[in-house]
Amino acid sequence: NAGVTQTPKFQVLKTGQSMTLQCAQDMNHEYMSWYRQDPGMGLRLIHYSVGAGITDQGEVPNGYNVSRSTTEDFPLRLLSAAPSQTSVYFCASSIGQGDTFFGQGTRLTVV
Amino acid sequence: AQTVTQSQPEMSVQEAETVTLSCTYDTSESDYYLFWYKQPPSRQMILVIRQEAYKQQNATENRFSVNFQKAAKSFSLKISDSQLGDAAMYFCLLNYGGSQGNLIFGKGTKLSVKP
Repeated sequence: NAGVTQTPKFQVLKTGQSMTLQCAQDMNHEYMSWYRQDPGMGLRLIHYSVGAGITDQGEVPNGYNVSRSTTEDFPLRLLSAAPSQTSVYFCASSIGQGDTFFGQGTRLTVV
Repeated sequence: AQTVTQSQPEMSVQEAETVTLSCTYDTSESDYYLFWYKQPPSRQMILVIRQEAYKQQNATENRFSVNFQKAAKSFSLKISDSQLGDAAMYFCLLNYGGSQGNLIFGKGTKLSVKP
């Protein structure tokens, strides 16, 4: 099993550019989510999904879009990158209250 | 509101010694899970240990154990015989529902291990 595959690992964007962070899991997990990690802030929830076709906002959703067309994939879109979106991003998946599995993280820098 | 508090931003331990990382939480739910995750410099989030709230027995995984005090809403992590590879950021996590929207992270404790 590959677990949670998240790409890319590193990305530099210019202000105003758009991009998509990819996330895929092969464990047939219902729940998937995106977090951002900033120094001293822990991990904060951006968006999450409880199944294909269902998404909802987390704590810090502004500037990000998601969709869940399949159980496996949960991409995160930055519509118009801003320096405030410089962060480390994690995709995660789980079933119910079971263990949460994380992708390897994406270090995004917006200049 | 559900909260998780890690009151120690940084901790240090001598190799082979024991260290305890603190975590307190607050939830009105009766059914929940608690976790400790380790994040080494590689950035990967690694599950260390889990505790189901309905279980009275403290969870143990090799050198890692927890002290779960449900009434006090405390969930500390004890690392015995600390090794250099234990150096990492440690996050306490509360899962109080069946959805990824019900995960609450503490802000983390950075653990250093001195040789």
